[in-house]
Amino acid sequence: AQSVAQPEDQVNVAEGNPLTVKCTYSVSGNPYLFWYVQYPNRGLQFLLKYITGDNLVKGSYGFEAEFNKSQTSFHLKKPSALVSDSALYFCAVRDNLGGSYIPTFGRGTSLIVHP
Amino acid sequence: NAGVTQTPKFQVLKTGQSMTLQCAQDMNHEYMSWYRQDPGMGLRLIHYSVGAGITDQGEVPNGYNVSRSTTEDFPLRLLSAAPSQTSVYFCASSYSNPNNEQFFGPGTRLTVL
Repeated sequence: AQSVAQPEDQVNVAEGNPLTVKCTYSVSGNPYLFWYVQYPNRGLQFLLKYITGDNLVKGSYGFEAEFNKSQTSFHLKKPSALVSDSALYFCAVRDNLGGSYIPTFGRGTSLIVHP
Repeated sequence: NAGVTQTPKFQVLKTGQSMTLQCAQDMNHEYMSWYRQDPGMGLRLIHYSVGAGITDQGEVPNGYNVSRSTTEDFPLRLLSAAPSQTSVYFCASSYSNPNNEQFFGPGTRLTVL
């Protein structure tokens, strides 16, 4: 079975400050982990993914995520937030075992970047 | 490539009416899925398909039907609309390899009165 949790409904950060959006997961085998962003009235867009290899994954728009196997986490980070980063962020996981055809999504975290 | 397209963008139905939400992709993806998005609930999987002729239920399948006669199309049918089905519906597709990301359509905003 696969599951993912985003413990924060909302994250507030000032423009120029670093941001972190948290995600933890549970899988039976090894995880494939994804981050997506949703801007208002739009569909989800892929940001980055962890498959294997380096624990620090770099993605679109300056975002990166750190995979931590011992803490079963995959937190999304950016060194310097922009107002335009304000959006809804979703973490998703897919187990490489157990015949999981479709990833499971977290409930989403609303990121608000204040000028 | 048009990617994943959905029609209509907006729809208002009366309770008891039926309708079909259309979804198409031109990337030759094997997997397609339908989600609904409600405030505070995140994305919930309704139905999915792993290939033409093969469909299965997701987390919230009641009140919805799907079919997959071609690789490109994956329509979602509401049999008898209820106010509880008021939501934003997203279609997504991906290659079958589990390390591939999903591509999402722009969504259909459905209101059932």
